[in-house]
Amino acid sequence: DAGVIQSPRHEVTEMGQEVTLRCKPISGHDYLFWYRQTMMRGLELLIYFNNNVPIDDSGMPEDRFSAKMPNASFSTLKIQPSEPRDSAVYFCASSLIGPQGSYEQYFGPGTRLTVT
Amino acid sequence: AQSVSQHNHHVILSEAASLELGCNYSYGGTVNLFWYVQYPGQHLQLLLKYFSGDPLVKGIKGFEAEFIKSKFSFNLRKPSVQWSDTAEYFCAVIPYSSASKIIFGSGTRLSIRP
Repeated sequence: DAGVIQSPRHEVTEMGQEVTLRCKPISGHDYLFWYRQTMMRGLELLIYFNNNVPIDDSGMPEDRFSAKMPNASFSTLKIQPSEPRDSAVYFCASSLIGPQGSYEQYFGPGTRLTVT
Repeated sequence: AQSVSQHNHHVILSEAASLELGCNYSYGGTVNLFWYVQYPGQHLQLLLKYFSGDPLVKGIKGFEAEFIKSKFSFNLRKPSVQWSDTAEYFCAVIPYSSASKIIFGSGTRLSIRP
């Protein structure tokens, strides 16, 4: 398996523009997670899905952020309009749930977002 | 609220020194436990995990961790570190009741002097 795939790997955009980050989870995984990592705030869980349904979006910072999972193999995280404080590395991760509860999360390579 | 504490924010060691990174969690029920490593500029990778059974868990690259239920701890150890172990280390917990929501600690940055 190719692992979790994220695109783009780097994104530089101007303040006010719309940004869309993409994620393809590992095939067969039923959970998908979006994280944001910065030096100041560390690793933050933004939202996660189970079988394409959003379960907990309490970490989404504000209405400018939205996430969708139209099918089991694709998810997007959108920021509209973007602001300089959104600059961070955004990670997508996926996992399985099994008889012993949830298994480990597999992380994608991340998208480094810079908003100028 | 459930939480994971990593008391050491930054640890500096010389090569060949022994390592122990602390991790404590606050949850009274059954948990799955993990240690992840993030090398500079890379994504998080799993080092080791504990679900049940032997509380001493061996992972990749010579790392091990011991689950002590009475202390709510899952400390990471390595008998002899290498310069290539320079990275950030995250402890993580999934309580069985959490519907898969993993709780990460704030991370410990490990710097190894060559």
